[in-house]
Amino acid sequence: GAVVSQHPSRVICKSGTSVKIECRSLDFQATTMFWYRQFPKQSLMLMATSNEGSKATYEQGVEKDKFLINHASLTLSTLTVTSAHPEDSSFYICSASTQASPLHFGNGTRLTVT
Amino acid sequence: DQQVKQNSPSLSVQEGRISILNCDYTNSMFDYFLWYKKYPAEGPTFLISISSIKDKNEDGRFTVFLNKSAKHLSLHIVPSQPGDSAVYFCAASSSGSARQLTFGSGTQLTVLP
Repeated sequence: GAVVSQHPSRVICKSGTSVKIECRSLDFQATTMFWYRQFPKQSLMLMATSNEGSKATYEQGVEKDKFLINHASLTLSTLTVTSAHPEDSSFYICSASTQASPLHFGNGTRLTVT
Repeated sequence: DQQVKQNSPSLSVQEGRISILNCDYTNSMFDYFLWYKKYPAEGPTFLISISSIKDKNEDGRFTVFLNKSAKHLSLHIVPSQPGDSAVYFCAASSSGSARQLTFGSGTQLTVLP
């Protein structure tokens, strides 16, 4: 079946640095990718919708200058957490879809900012 | 305001018995509903879905029921197996939302051997 690969699975960074997370659709072209964030014992919260070749659409309350999203091709979207702070520590998950399929998720990235 | 609610954070069931996970929604524009299963430190895995034109969809041990008038859906797993132990998320979308999903907060299912 469809596979979405997310890398890295775990990253620890120092406060003030930037971290890039990659999301790739391995065997299908994803016209749309989504980035979610999950806090412990809470739901997946949609951060932004990324369409190939156009600017991402951010959900209310998500800082677009802090969470930079680039969807340069039909198989790759990246999320860059800029100037990371400890409160950015979370589990970030990407998903991808085509028109015909339900969303397929990556395995997530555990970000810890020290 | 939570548009998709899973009011039971956890559920324990004996192996071989039925597991019933419930989900309520408030947005009448939702017309497509999905259940995802999630293990720790992994992304959610799609389990089963149902569109609003149906009231039941079955796939092996998994059946999803949709009651549109009550804005309620449920996932039945029978017979439950220890490998089913995971967090189950209910999600909903509307046809005009480019496949964006709104998730419930999840229910931790534990199937006891």
